[in-house]
Amino acid sequence: DTGVSQNPRHKITKRGQNVTFRCDPISEHNRLYWYRQTLGQGPEFLTYFQNEAQLEKSRLLSDRFSAERPKGSFSTLEIQRTEQGDSAMYLCASSRLLGTEAFFGQGTRLTVV
Amino acid sequence: AQSVTQLGSHVSVSEGALVLLRCNYSSSVPPYLFWYVQYPNQGLQLLLKYTSAATLVKGINGFEAEFKKSETSFHLTKPSAHMSDAAEYFCAVSDPNNDMRFGAGTRLTVKP
Repeated sequence: DTGVSQNPRHKITKRGQNVTFRCDPISEHNRLYWYRQTLGQGPEFLTYFQNEAQLEKSRLLSDRFSAERPKGSFSTLEIQRTEQGDSAMYLCASSRLLGTEAFFGQGTRLTVV
Repeated sequence: AQSVTQLGSHVSVSEGALVLLRCNYSSSVPPYLFWYVQYPNQGLQLLLKYTSAATLVKGINGFEAEFKKSETSFHLTKPSAHMSDAAEYFCAVSDPNNDMRFGAGTRLTVKP
């Protein structure tokens, strides 16, 4: 068990470009979460998956954001036409069952210049 | 929907002093409650969790928290602070029907 893995760890992109992040959860976990965290704030919920089904999306997730989890394994989070306000740490977490603790990856820090 | 409020965005204690970080929750059903710690440029690490068993929960690194339903609180304590405890601490709530939501965090500073 290698834990939750996120790639890349850091991403610098120009405004208007598209970016994609990947998350590999712990293998037996069927729940996968995406959060966004800005400096001095707690993680803000973006979306989560139960296996391959995306069950809930936050209002924070504008139409520029899309997440997938094909075959209920790894997940990708894509941001299209990035804006400077998208600069943040993007955290992925996974859990085994409803209500149990979530295990977090190290995060992907996005900087939009 | 469930939510969490952490009272005090910054807490400063001296090394060896009691640590008390406050968390109040709101949930329409019996909640699961968690405390996580985050070091700079790292992900979140679970300190402890409450899942309807004992109301006093012991976690790693000497931390513990007590679930008080009447006060809707889940405060985190440690009898004696160490320099290595300096970090950001997050309280979180979830329930069987919802995902996990976090408070804004409390930054703990430990003075020598």
